[in-house]
Amino acid sequence: GAVVSQHPSWVICKSGTSVKIECRSLDFQATTMFWYRQFPKQSLMLMATSNEGSKATYEQGVEKDKFLINHASLTLSTLTVTSAHPEDSSFYICSALRTSGGAGETQYFGPGTRLLVL
Amino acid sequence: QKEVEQNSGPLSVPEGAIASLNCTYSDRGSQSFFWYRQYSGKSPELIMFIYSNGDKEDGRFTAQLNKASQYVSLLIRDSQPSDSATYLCAVNTGGFKTIFGAGTRLFVKA
Repeated sequence: GAVVSQHPSWVICKSGTSVKIECRSLDFQATTMFWYRQFPKQSLMLMATSNEGSKATYEQGVEKDKFLINHASLTLSTLTVTSAHPEDSSFYICSALRTSGGAGETQYFGPGTRLLVL
Repeated sequence: QKEVEQNSGPLSVPEGAIASLNCTYSDRGSQSFFWYRQYSGKSPELIMFIYSNGDKEDGRFTAQLNKASQYVSLLIRDSQPSDSATYLCAVNTGGFKTIFGAGTRLFVKA
């Protein structure tokens, strides 16, 4: 199977601090990864598309200076929430895109990171 | 705008029954179709993918695709309480762009 990990699984921080979340594809290489945010009882919201070796593509309304994305290798993308505030508290989920002969491009999700900003 | 539509539910079925989840999409050029299951508080988990018209079976799950009518469905046979979750339909519209539906909440009553 395709395994994607995220670290940390949950984090509590004080308002104003920065938090870094890692997303790793463990058994395949992923040129493209995605970062989502999900509030309770709401749908997945795509924040940005992370491309290895190039700048991330952000969705409309997502502040690129607040949510810094780095995709430095084919197995690792990081999301840094800078100067976090309570309204940034959410469930952050990454996915990695795997290319296979069956379904073409398939997204596999990490287990998510729950962020609580006090 | 490319869209993927699902009934939000909740869809409630008794244990042992067949649960039928439906999804429609707007982009006729879509090539691949996916069903994910998301338990409350967890991240989505891939259940099945389908890219050819017709049915694809995997255990208790059957995905059905009708490109002419632009719909894809997921049937769950012998539904179990552990199947209670939100089911997300996802459509690959080309390249790496995948559009997710908002999901259908399924509740299987014991």
